[in-house]
Amino acid sequence: DAGVIQSPRHEVTEMGQEVTLRCKPISGHNSLFWYRQTMMRGLELLIYFNNNVPIDDSGMPEDRFSAKMPNASFSTLKIQPSEPRDSAVYFCASCPSSYNEQFFGPGTRLTVL
Amino acid sequence: DQQVKQNSPSLSVQEGRISILNCDYTNSMFDYFLWYKKYPAEGPTFLISISSIKDKNEDGRFTVFLNKSAKHLSLHIVPSQPGDSAVYFCAASALDSWGKLQFGAGTQVVVTP
Repeated sequence: DAGVIQSPRHEVTEMGQEVTLRCKPISGHNSLFWYRQTMMRGLELLIYFNNNVPIDDSGMPEDRFSAKMPNASFSTLKIQPSEPRDSAVYFCASCPSSYNEQFFGPGTRLTVL
Repeated sequence: DQQVKQNSPSLSVQEGRISILNCDYTNSMFDYFLWYKKYPAEGPTFLISISSIKDKNEDGRFTVFLNKSAKHLSLHIVPSQPGDSAVYFCAASALDSWGKLQFGAGTQVVVTP
């Protein structure tokens, strides 16, 4: 049974470029979360969806960040334009609605030069 | 502001002994608490949780204790094994903001032979 799948696992890009991170949640899970982990701020929630609808995006740092969930099995987090301070590990997590235990993917390590 | 605090960044314990990890929180609205374990280059993995209506929850070698009056919880691992070497995160959520897990900074546990 596959867990949460994220791609790419590593991304190195130059400042100003567009970056798209992808996530496939566990089948049957209708809640999806995007997190960012940095040394300074730890693990912080960026946005979460319930039944493909964005519920809370208060953690999205700036307008440069956007997230979509076009269907129950796919979500993207886009950064445009990227900046060096966006360098972090980005995690996607999913869970069934009303559950508190979220299942995390392996993360995407983003480096913006 | 950091609402969930893990004040010990690291812990070293001998194999077979007890590991005790501590977590403090400031938000009295938190009513569900979780512990996650994280290995390098992997996403956090759910370990154990506790609802605010309980003061103890046990699962095999792992026990979580909750002291609501002190706004403190702890994770006990008995006996500690080398495979327990990982970063442990405490997380909390409030009933009125389901899905928004607040994470502590993590405690690196090293189990030595």
